[in-house]
Amino acid sequence: ELKVEQNPLFLSMQEGKNYTIYCNYSTTSDRLYWYRQDPGKSLESLFVLLSNGAVKQEGRLMASLDTKARLSTLHITAAVHDLSATYFCAVVNNAGNMLTFGGGTRLMVKP
Amino acid sequence: DTGVSQDPRHKITKRGQNVTFRCDPISEHNRLYWYRQTLGQGPEFLTYFQNEAQLEKSRLLSDRFSAERPKGSFSTLEIQRTEQGDSAMYLCASSFKVNTEAFFGQGTRLTVV
Repeated sequence: ELKVEQNPLFLSMQEGKNYTIYCNYSTTSDRLYWYRQDPGKSLESLFVLLSNGAVKQEGRLMASLDTKARLSTLHITAAVHDLSATYFCAVVNNAGNMLTFGGGTRLMVKP
Repeated sequence: DTGVSQDPRHKITKRGQNVTFRCDPISEHNRLYWYRQTLGQGPEFLTYFQNEAQLEKSRLLSDRFSAERPKGSFSTLEIQRTEQGDSAMYLCASSFKVNTEAFFGQGTRLTVV
């Protein structure tokens, strides 16, 4: 059974600081997603990572994937308040028909 | 709007009542997924369809839950004899084919009182 763990579950940080969210998964997969969710809203796709060593960046967020370690990271650079949200990683199963989500990281960026 | 559409957005129901939710996927997406998200948790897979065929069901989908996609377009998720534990956000997603990105709808928030 595919399991996905994120840490930390909660992150409070000051504006301007850097931090990394970690996502570990238990079985091999060739596709990993990062999503953002604002309170009461649906999921907004941030990144799709398809191969070992993949790195994608959008603004202050950068995601990477190490398939050998079964680890993905979401790095936040110089955080701003607008980044406050819950971030989920999700891994596709081998059949490609199901996403397994981590528990989420609730990020609060304080001015 | 060409995204995934869900209706209603919010539903409050009394315990024991039946509820039905609708999902309209992105046009030409033949795969449709249902997920459930409880407060403070990540979404959990419930079931998915390829065209009108329901190909996989999670063990979370008890016999009180039924999902259909009769013509391979929109889908409905029905919960019979609702319980307070059914209170959650029900998310629908669609994708063009296997191993392509799934796009999520806005969700239906169910509150069972």
